[in-house]
Amino acid sequence: EPEVTQTPSHQVTQMGQEVILRCVPISNHLYFYWYRQILGQKVEFLVSFYNNEISEKSEIFDDQFSVERPDGSNFTLKIRSTKLEDSAMYFCASSGEGDQPQHFGDGTRLSIL
Amino acid sequence: TQLLEQSPQFLSIQEGENLTVYCNSSSVFSSLQWYRQEPGEGPVLLVTVVTGGEVKKLKRLTFQFGDARKDSSLHITAAQPGDTGLYLCAGHGSSNTGKLIFGQGTTLQVKP
Repeated sequence: EPEVTQTPSHQVTQMGQEVILRCVPISNHLYFYWYRQILGQKVEFLVSFYNNEISEKSEIFDDQFSVERPDGSNFTLKIRSTKLEDSAMYFCASSGEGDQPQHFGDGTRLSIL
Repeated sequence: TQLLEQSPQFLSIQEGENLTVYCNSSSVFSSLQWYRQEPGEGPVLLVTVVTGGEVKKLKRLTFQFGDARKDSSLHITAAQPGDTGLYLCAGHGSSNTGKLIFGQGTTLQVKP
């Protein structure tokens, strides 16, 4: 069964550094998402992406965050200058249509030191 | 702001017992999804309920969507240790962009 894959599984970065989290969505899906889950808290929406542009972003997704689909397969989340509070699990998801079930990757654990 | 409240947050039961997890909101959702999440993994979709009053069964799991589409429940019959995990409900936001709003999850432990 097709799946969403994320790399790396764990990223450790110094505060203030830039990080890029990578995702390969399911190949025929058109909608792409990033979510994050701080330890012990609920899964929170960050951004949705369709037709090569952001369709919605949350308050968390400030100017330090950006997303890109650089080619036909990858979907990336960049955090420009990381803060301690960015430490979390980051999940990528994709769906065929916007109202269809989303399939999640296994996440990247981001640890900011 | 659309919110989903899950209860209970933690549940520890013996193998063979039945349990119900609730997912409630004051807002109407076009659909609700139930996921299961294992430690170190992403949420895995169990079921989507779309129609008010809908009931779906997945082996020993029964999912129900409230008539008003504001709440849902997950009932597990004769729980087994393999059912242990985090159960999440999620609904699509009203913005029609695919954004999912998650409940805080129910951690289920089934003891042999």
